[in-house]
Amino acid sequence: NAGVTQTPKFQVLKTGQSMTLQCAQDMNHNSMYWYRQDPGMGLRLIYYSASEGTTDKGEVPNGYNVSRLNKREFSLRLESAAPSQTSVYFCASTASGANVLTFGAGSRLTVL
Amino acid sequence: RKEVEQDPGPFNVPEGATVAFNCTYSNSASQSFFWYRQDCRKEPKLLMSVYSSGNEDGRFTAQLNRASQYISLLIRDSKLSDSATYLCVVTPTQGGKLIFGQGTELSVKP
Repeated sequence: NAGVTQTPKFQVLKTGQSMTLQCAQDMNHNSMYWYRQDPGMGLRLIYYSASEGTTDKGEVPNGYNVSRLNKREFSLRLESAAPSQTSVYFCASTASGANVLTFGAGSRLTVL
Repeated sequence: RKEVEQDPGPFNVPEGATVAFNCTYSNSASQSFFWYRQDCRKEPKLLMSVYSSGNEDGRFTAQLNRASQYISLLIRDSKLSDSATYLCVVTPTQGGKLIFGQGTELSVKP
């Protein structure tokens, strides 16, 4: 019962470097999400994908791109990392029409 | 005004205490309401949904007040293991995106 799997769990980048956070779910969920969590800010939606082949911007999309590779996988890319992108990133998924999110364990990213 | 607001706390209570958290939301048409729990450095997990008539799950009681646009979570007989951050979550439309509050931190002391 893997649920939602994120990689990597930890990453340190230098300003300007690029990287991709990977997310995969094995629950046959249609919708997938990327959130970031910062102290005192709660979880903020970066991008989401309501179904395979579609992606939409959330509350804080600037500096990020996403790819819904197939139904299982939803990746988040930072093309040119900035210190303001230091955060904990959570991937989540849910079945269509449902409101209950299943989260991955999180990816802690530090940009120096 | 934020769409979903919570008192960030922290709430420091002794074991056995009763503690209540409130959460306000700005969109009067909001459809669904939830409480999630997040342990330190872990992912959020669903604690309970909040129904219009109010609902209870063991020591936890959730209530919704649509007129005043807030939901509440009551924890009775607090345990050390209840120490966590409690996140209020609102869905503005049916099947729409979930909006998270910033979380309320609870620390239960012996």
